[in-house]
Amino acid sequence: EPEVTQTPSHQVTQMGQEVILRCVPISNHLYFYWYRQILGQKVEFLVSFYNNEISEKSEIFDDQFSVERPDGSNFTLKIRSTKLEDSAMYFCASIDDRAYEQYFGPGTRLTVT
Amino acid sequence: GEDVEQSLFLSVREGDSSVINCTYTDSSSTYLYWYKQEPGAGLQLLTYIFSNMDMKQDQRLTVLLNKKDKHLSLRIADTQTGDSAIYFCAESTGNTPLVFGKGTRLSVIA
Repeated sequence: EPEVTQTPSHQVTQMGQEVILRCVPISNHLYFYWYRQILGQKVEFLVSFYNNEISEKSEIFDDQFSVERPDGSNFTLKIRSTKLEDSAMYFCASIDDRAYEQYFGPGTRLTVT
Repeated sequence: GEDVEQSLFLSVREGDSSVINCTYTDSSSTYLYWYKQEPGAGLQLLTYIFSNMDMKQDQRLTVLLNKKDKHLSLRIADTQTGDSAIYFCAESTGNTPLVFGKGTRLSVIA
């Protein structure tokens, strides 16, 4: 069964460093998302991406964040200068052409020290 | 803005039924979902229901929707220890971002 994959599974970085989180959505899906979950809290929407551009973003998704689809398969989230409060689990999701079933990847745990 | 509320904890005995409840505020919600998250793992889509449905059954899972009260429930029949996890209710209007509740931690006692 096709699945969303994410790498790395765990990333440790120092405050102020740039990180890139990678996702490979399911191949025939059209919409891509990033969410984050701070430990013990609810899953929060960051950004959605469709037709090679951002379609929606939340207040959390400030100038420190960017997304890219550099080729036909990868979807990346970049955090330019990480802060302690960026420590969270980051989930990528994609949605199929029926546009109602969002499938999530296993997540990348980002720890900022 | 949109909000989704869930009770935080539920404890049941193995073999009993579990009922996890959720309320939402967005009356334009078209799709309502249940996701399962096991410790340290990602979000697994369990089931979903369209807002024009009252009930959906999928093996041991039954979803009930009361659109008037904006109340959604997930019933797990014959609950097993493997069902222990956090269950998230979420809503959207289709390809819009999901709005999640805080999750209900289900503990199954053997």
